[in-house]
Amino acid sequence: QGQLVESGGGVVQPGRSLRLSCAASGLTLSTYAMHWVRQAPGKGLEWVAVISYDGSNKLYADSVKGRFTISRDNSKNTLYLQMNSLRPEDTAVYYCAKGRGGVTSSRDHWGQGTLVTVSS
Amino acid sequence: QSVLTQPPSASGTPGQRVTVSCFGSSSNIGGNPVNWYQHLPGTAPKLLIYSNNQRPSGVPDRFSGSKSGTSASLAISGLQSDDEADYYCAAWDDSLNGHVFGAGTKVTVL
Repeated sequence: QGQLVESGGGVVQPGRSLRLSCAASGLTLSTYAMHWVRQAPGKGLEWVAVISYDGSNKLYADSVKGRFTISRDNSKNTLYLQMNSLRPEDTAVYYCAKGRGGVTSSRDHWGQGTLVTVSS
Repeated sequence: QSVLTQPPSASGTPGQRVTVSCFGSSSNIGGNPVNWYQHLPGTAPKLLIYSNNQRPSGVPDRFSGSKSGTSASLAISGLQSDDEADYYCAAWDDSLNGHVFGAGTKVTVL
């Protein structure tokens, strides 16, 4: 049973950038799609983005399209989320999750999350 | 406003059976598998059911899922205090070209 560990969260001003990382141990991510999912304070889970196993296909929620970029480095078994032009409504706990298969599949392993707070 | 509609809450006494419903449309539940997640705030969400009615290894058979048309449901039988959590349905949406979640149902054990 492997684990995913997110890092890179923190407090950032509106309009600034932040990069999140998700490192895997005991899991080989290179053959699976990977996701970012977030939960704003007092709200439910919201899917953010997914990347295919080889990075060739990337899909985003409309709320982050054009501002966030998902990427991966399979040689490092690591997933990333570059977040630009951050807004207060991006404040949330961000989870990375491993897909069971391709980009449309469910997510079977999740990290504990990292908190991003966008505030002046 | 979530694309998938769930009741905000459900409850039962220990040992009872509780069901959580999830309503969608032809672009999501109607044409794609439904998945269910259990989430305790501050912890990692857990996959309970995938592909409408399949349980990952380690998930007790007290949890079961079903789908009919554009709706799905999660049933928890033999309710236990450990089952108190938020439960989310999710599916791929062909029109949005992305994943969608329900708003979540908080299950309380009375």
